[in-house]
Amino acid sequence: AQSVTQLDSHVSVSEGTPVLLRCNYSSSYSPSLFWYVQHPNKGLQLLLKYTSAATLVKGINGFEAEFKKSETSFHLTKPSAHMSDAAEYFCVVIPYSSASKIIFGSGTRLSIRP
Amino acid sequence: DAGVTQSPTHLIKTRGQQVTLRCSPKSGHDTVSWYQQALGQGPQFIFQYYEEEERQRGNFPDRFSGHQFPNYSSELNVNALLLGDSALYLCASSLPGSGTGNSPLHFGNGTRLTVT
Repeated sequence: AQSVTQLDSHVSVSEGTPVLLRCNYSSSYSPSLFWYVQHPNKGLQLLLKYTSAATLVKGINGFEAEFKKSETSFHLTKPSAHMSDAAEYFCVVIPYSSASKIIFGSGTRLSIRP
Repeated sequence: DAGVTQSPTHLIKTRGQQVTLRCSPKSGHDTVSWYQQALGQGPQFIFQYYEEEERQRGNFPDRFSGHQFPNYSSELNVNALLLGDSALYLCASSLPGSGTGNSPLHFGNGTRLTVT
């Protein structure tokens, strides 16, 4: 069975410090993996995607994620947090054979301290 | 270039009533998916429409139904509303083959449904 686990429900960092949001997945085949961001009362915006090309994926707003098959992880990072990064972040897995069975993690709320 | 638009933005209904939510996909997209996002949770897949047919369905009862029109817009209908149906309902559009990652989902801002 496919699943995705976001290991932290809430992460708080100071502005200018690194961000790490953790995601582990379970998939029988090579999945497609995504990170989406949701600002309050808004829809979800795609940050980045992994589709079996380069394992280090760069996204928008300075975010990047590394696919580690041996660890079944796809953690999201950013070198320096900005106040505007405060939002809910979702790790998403799409199993190889079922384009519509998109599975969202439960989300990580990122808070930025001034 | 308009993105995904949803209407209405907010809706209050009484238990037992029926509701219809609407979605217009991003220009050039022909596939529409619907998601339910309960407070504090990630979105849950309801179903996907392509070529005016329901192609995939998540674990939702038959009270949840949908429709896609020739212009690719879509409706989500929920009958016999329950208190537990209160949630943010998100519509996402894409090109066919969204599972490959080559056509990521583009989301609307959602409809906030409150059932009292």
